[in-house]
Amino acid sequence: AQRVTQPEKLLSVFKGAPVELKCNYSYSGSPELFWYVQYSRQRLQLLLRHISRESIKGFTADLNKGETSFHLKKPFAQEEDSAMYYCALLSGGYNKLIFGAGTRLAVHP
Amino acid sequence: DTEVTQTPKHLVMGMTNKKSLKCEQHMGHRAMYWYKQKAKKPPELMFVYSYEKLSINESVPSRFSPECPNSSLLNLHLHALQPEDSALYLCASSPLTGMNTEAFFGQGTRLTVV
Repeated sequence: AQRVTQPEKLLSVFKGAPVELKCNYSYSGSPELFWYVQYSRQRLQLLLRHISRESIKGFTADLNKGETSFHLKKPFAQEEDSAMYYCALLSGGYNKLIFGAGTRLAVHP
Repeated sequence: DTEVTQTPKHLVMGMTNKKSLKCEQHMGHRAMYWYKQKAKKPPELMFVYSYEKLSINESVPSRFSPECPNSSLLNLHLHALQPEDSALYLCASSPLTGMNTEAFFGQGTRLTVV
């Protein structure tokens, strides 16, 4: 079964602290994974995709096939990072996305 | 233009009403999607259109009827909905060719069924 698991509903940190949002997946084959972010009152938007191996807004994510994980990391959280973060898996020939349950990141001053 | 535009932003409808949600994109994407998002839950796929043909229907009740009149437009016709259908309805589009598989989402239509 194809599945994305985000074990934490809420991650609460102080500004400047490191952040790691966990994501594990279940997929037979070579997965294509994404992190989407939803800021308050804004549309869902792509933050990172594993194939591009880039850093966006200081966030990075590495695909670990052995652990079937795609955790999102940032060394120093900022208040403007507060948002809902969804890990997503591309499934099938129509670029269908399977989303994890989401993790709300709250960064406090 | 890298936007997906959805109208209306908010909709309140009775259980006997018929209404339609509209979605438009001008990025040349040949895949378009309807997702349903309940409060504090992730988006769940409802329908996928590829090259203007319905490719995936995730066992959605027939009171939801999608339509893709052309490659830029996607509609969702609503009839005889139930209060539990109240949710945020998201439209998205994505290229189907090339390496870019990014999905672009609209702001959504917040639907309340009374």
